[in-house]
Amino acid sequence: DQQVKQNSPSLSVQEGRISILNCDYTNSMFDYFLWYKKYPAEGPTFLISISSIKDKNEDGRFTVFLNKSAKHLSLHIVPSQPGDSAVYFCAASAMAGNQFYFGTGTSLTVIP
Amino acid sequence: DAGVTQSPTHLIKTRGQQVTLRCSPKSGHDTVSWYQQALGQGPQFIFQYYEEEERQRGNFPDRFSGHQFPNYSSELNVNALLLGDSALYLCASSLVGGQPQHFGDGTRLSIL
Repeated sequence: DQQVKQNSPSLSVQEGRISILNCDYTNSMFDYFLWYKKYPAEGPTFLISISSIKDKNEDGRFTVFLNKSAKHLSLHIVPSQPGDSAVYFCAASAMAGNQFYFGTGTSLTVIP
Repeated sequence: DAGVTQSPTHLIKTRGQQVTLRCSPKSGHDTVSWYQQALGQGPQFIFQYYEEEERQRGNFPDRFSGHQFPNYSSELNVNALLLGDSALYLCASSLVGGQPQHFGDGTRLSIL
């Protein structure tokens, strides 16, 4: 039972353009969401988070949007850089400190 | 400031054997979670340890067990290994109730 879904396995974007990665969830109890970036042979690295009391959170080039009614979140990267090429996972939990449910990841390639 | 460290990096076992994986949390963290990441999938939560006790458990059989030591380090034990146990095993640490989780680079377990 996949409670967090990333329906796009891969995405290619030109350097300098916007990258939009999407994530859907089914459990209405989820109230905390994170994005992780993963390079090959490394563990996931935390990127940005958002709690359900907000609908947007920004950190530099990264912005996460949350649409609770649609059970959808997205990660925007502007401008995209070649170093952003990695696999991006979204994750959700029902309460801070509880187990996280991860999506299957989206592989982002930023073309120079 | 050392991050999450896992050992060994790679491990090859045969069916029916037993394996122990080790994790040292990030300095200052007291909670350790273990995840299994199969090829092409997102990390799946196995269990979480806090104060040397299993605090939460995901949908994994009893062949998967763990331990947390007074210094917060942790072990994951898997008995009666199956071919399907071949995966990347990730350890993540955090402060109890705190986010985000910080991941190690994982142990790649291959079952022959």
